[in-house]
Amino acid sequence: DTGVSQDPRHKITKRGQNVTFRCDPISEHNRLYWYRQTLGQGPEFLTYFQNEAQLEKSRLLSDRFSAERPKGSFSTLEIQRTEQGDSAMYLCASRFTGDSGNTIYFGEGSWLTVV
Amino acid sequence: AQSVAQPEDQVNVAEGNPLTVKCTYSVSGNPYLFWYVQYPNRGLQFLLKYITGDNLVKGSYGFEAEFNKSQTSFHLKKPSALVSDSALYFCAVRDPGAMDSNYQLIWGAGTKLIIKP
Repeated sequence: DTGVSQDPRHKITKRGQNVTFRCDPISEHNRLYWYRQTLGQGPEFLTYFQNEAQLEKSRLLSDRFSAERPKGSFSTLEIQRTEQGDSAMYLCASRFTGDSGNTIYFGEGSWLTVV
Repeated sequence: AQSVAQPEDQVNVAEGNPLTVKCTYSVSGNPYLFWYVQYPNRGLQFLLKYITGDNLVKGSYGFEAEFNKSQTSFHLKKPSALVSDSALYFCAVRDPGAMDSNYQLIWGAGTKLIIKP
């Protein structure tokens, strides 16, 4: 395991459809984060998990968004009834809280295009 | 308000020349500072970080950054640019005094670095 992996890398969907993204963090990383990034902007925090517990959700995360990390390993981010404004790259990141440097490691992202 | 500023949207450098990508920050307390790089259609890759200690931090791919507390800056540098360094560079900061439950990096808007052969 060499890094955070995300699947799918690209998804094109019609408005109103549901989509799900998966993130596999680095092994033994107990914290997992989801971010959203639009072109020309830095990432925006969405939510994060400590093991299987979802500890915080941003106000950016509408009710159409739901994230899970059922076994404290991989995580899924589901978007229901997608809207064109959901088009963005969804980034997953992970870290180990024993790392005092607070470095988080990002996956390569999942691009979502809603048409 | 806490913030990170990258004053240049784009930096153009000729291959072989030194490069600097600027970052200034405004946070309470001692910051933890990071640089990440993003290649087209890719996620963010960690380059380097400053937590404490030596103000000059060395990172991946020959990059380094200098922490300047008086100027609240953390500029990214490389002595000799490569065409392959062309990418989007993000500066980020976390206030270590923030509650861990509110962990989120404060990101700059990014600087596009273009290295011309």
